[in-house]
Amino acid sequence: GAVVSQHPSWVICKSGTSVKIECRSLDFQATTMFWYRQFPKQSLMLMATSNEGSKATYEQGVEKDKFLINHASLTLSTLTVTSAHPEDSSFYICSAQQGLAGTDTQYFGPGTRLTVL
Amino acid sequence: KNEVEQSPQNLTAQEGEFITINCSYSVGISALHWLQQHPGGGIVSLFMLSSGKKKHGRLIATINIQEKHSSLHITASHPRDSAVYICAVPAQGGSEKLVFGKGTKLTVNP
Repeated sequence: GAVVSQHPSWVICKSGTSVKIECRSLDFQATTMFWYRQFPKQSLMLMATSNEGSKATYEQGVEKDKFLINHASLTLSTLTVTSAHPEDSSFYICSAQQGLAGTDTQYFGPGTRLTVL
Repeated sequence: KNEVEQSPQNLTAQEGEFITINCSYSVGISALHWLQQHPGGGIVSLFMLSSGKKKHGRLIATINIQEKHSSLHITASHPRDSAVYICAVPAQGGSEKLVFGKGTKLTVNP
C-alpha cells in the first residue's frame, strides 16, 4: 500500500528554537497533504491543509505565522514550528491524499513527537 | 459540522474473542475511515468505505449510510490487535477534511 514517511520521528528542543518536520509520500504523488496535532488522550485535530504549489489553508485557531507549511512538491510537505514553546509539545501527524475527496483514502505518516523544554 | 461518537471508549478482551467497535456520525458522508493507532503513536489506515462491508484478514468493517453508523469487527482477536481504533468522517458532506472520533482503546490479553 501507499507509504508516507515523517522525519524526524521525535525531537527535543529548547524553548525559542524552530523545528522542521518533513512529510513525504514515498510511492505516490499526493495532491493534498494534511497536518494534524494530537495532545495526550485527545483526538487528532486538523491544523492545516496543504496543496502543492499553493498556500496552506489553516484551521481556525491555528497561527499560520507560527506553524509554517511548505508544500514544494507532490511528494514533500514540511511543517516548521517557529519559536517553539512548551505548549507546542505534541504529536504531529501528516497524511497524504492522492485523489479527490471522497474517492481516495488519506495515508498517514508515523508521526513526530515534539518535546519543547 | 459532523460529530463522531465511538463506543466503547475502552475495551478489554481475551485472546480469541470477537470484538465490535461502533461509530456513529451526525451528517451524511461520502466515505468513512477506520484507523488504527499503535501505542507508539503511528497511525495505519485500515478501511475507507462508503457502503456495505469490507474485509481484510480478520478485520471486517460495515457501514449503514441510512442509520449513519459503522462497525469495526475483529475476529479471533490477538494481543497484537491491542491499539486505539479511530473512526473518521468528512467534516461536511464531501469535504476532504476529516473529523475524528475519540477512539476506542482495545486491550487483548493472552
